[in-house]
Amino acid sequence: DAKTTQPTSMDCAEGRAANLPCNHSTISGNEYVYWYRQIHSQGPQYIIHGLKNNETNEMASLIITEDRKSSTLILPHATLRDTAVYYCISSSYNTDKLIFGTGTRLQVFP
Amino acid sequence: GAGVSQTPSNKVTEKGKYVELRCDPISGHTALYWYRQSLGQGPEFLIYFQGTGAADDSGLPNDRFFAVRPEGSVSTLKIQRTERGDSAVYLCASSPRGVDEQFFGPGTRLTVL
Repeated sequence: DAKTTQPTSMDCAEGRAANLPCNHSTISGNEYVYWYRQIHSQGPQYIIHGLKNNETNEMASLIITEDRKSSTLILPHATLRDTAVYYCISSSYNTDKLIFGTGTRLQVFP
Repeated sequence: GAGVSQTPSNKVTEKGKYVELRCDPISGHTALYWYRQSLGQGPEFLIYFQGTGAADDSGLPNDRFFAVRPEGSVSTLKIQRTERGDSAVYLCASSPRGVDEQFFGPGTRLTVL
């Protein structure tokens, strides 16, 4: 599975869009990009995943560059409850495991 | 509906003791995963079950760690001769066949004194 790199931490004002970048320059053709988040003292929570097209669901949007070497998770209107560690993971579809890095700690402030 | 549950939520034990951690997956989920998370780190994969069998146990750190899922539902992670380095949050996740999302439980915090 390809390694991903993310900034250690980010801040975002409540109500603004939070844009979380992820670099996965060694991603292979059959690997998807997954995003999970972990709110303090809870288990990780799935957010979204994609292969090469941009994806949107009720939680977030995922923008993947054309060369697939990087992606951005967008929370369109961040709330205080979005404060969490966000993990970007690249892995083969229907894989048996997720390889987590250290993620980005997003702090949403009032 | 009910999510993944893990018991106990906290376990304190002494070095050298044996511990069992339990995971109840979401009903009907065929896949079950164990991870452990040390402070400040992301979760680290331990083992994956598809049904009753361990499909991938490559993440188990050594032979003191063992997991079972005898009826394809509840799973137990067993740690023998615990060491202080085993202290971590142990997370369980499950997913239904054909779905790529993993649903995580709240974890068991293990402290080895």
